[in-house]
Amino acid sequence: DQQVKQNSPSLSVQEGRISILNCDYTNSMFDYFLWYKKYPAEGPTFLISISSIKDKNEDGRFTVFLNKSAKHLSLHIVPSQPGDSAVYFCAASAQGGSEKLVFGKGMKLTVNP
Amino acid sequence: DTGVSQDPRHKITKRGQNVTFRCDPISEHNRLYWYRQTLGQGPEFLTYFQNEAQLEKSRLLSDRFSAERPKGSFSTLEIQRTEQGDSAMYLCASSFSTGGAEKLFFGSGTQLSVL
Repeated sequence: DQQVKQNSPSLSVQEGRISILNCDYTNSMFDYFLWYKKYPAEGPTFLISISSIKDKNEDGRFTVFLNKSAKHLSLHIVPSQPGDSAVYFCAASAQGGSEKLVFGKGMKLTVNP
Repeated sequence: DTGVSQDPRHKITKRGQNVTFRCDPISEHNRLYWYRQTLGQGPEFLTYFQNEAQLEKSRLLSDRFSAERPKGSFSTLEIQRTEQGDSAMYLCASSFSTGGAEKLFFGSGTQLSVL
């Protein structure tokens, strides 16, 4: 039972354009959401997070949007850079539960120069 | 570098052998997590510690797997009688929990190959 879903396995964009990565979740108890970036042969690196009390969080070129009613979040990267090419994981956790993160399968982003 | 450190980076073993991995978390972090990641999948939770106490174990963690965190510092994950299905990247992460939402800091992982 996949509680966090990243339905598109890959995305390719041109440098300078916007990258939009989507994530859906099924567990209504999730109230904290994170995006991680992973390069080959490295562990995931935290990118940005959002609490369920907010619907948007921005950090430089990265913005995460949360739509609780749709159980959907998205990560926007603008402008995209070749160094952003990596696998991106969406993750979620539930306060009052075990606080462990539940990850999606990931999406491979390729930014072409 | 004071990030999460894992050792070894790679381990090749024969089926039936025992293997042990080590994780050194960020020093002030009180929580330590083990995850497993296979090709094409996201990290899957295995177990976590708060200080030296193991608070939760996933159903994925068979009785061949055991984890310890003596004195609430480094942690070891042992797999006994390895099987080919154990081949995966084993990731360790740590965090400082104050009871609220937390972000995990991951190590580079140990890639296990069981032949």
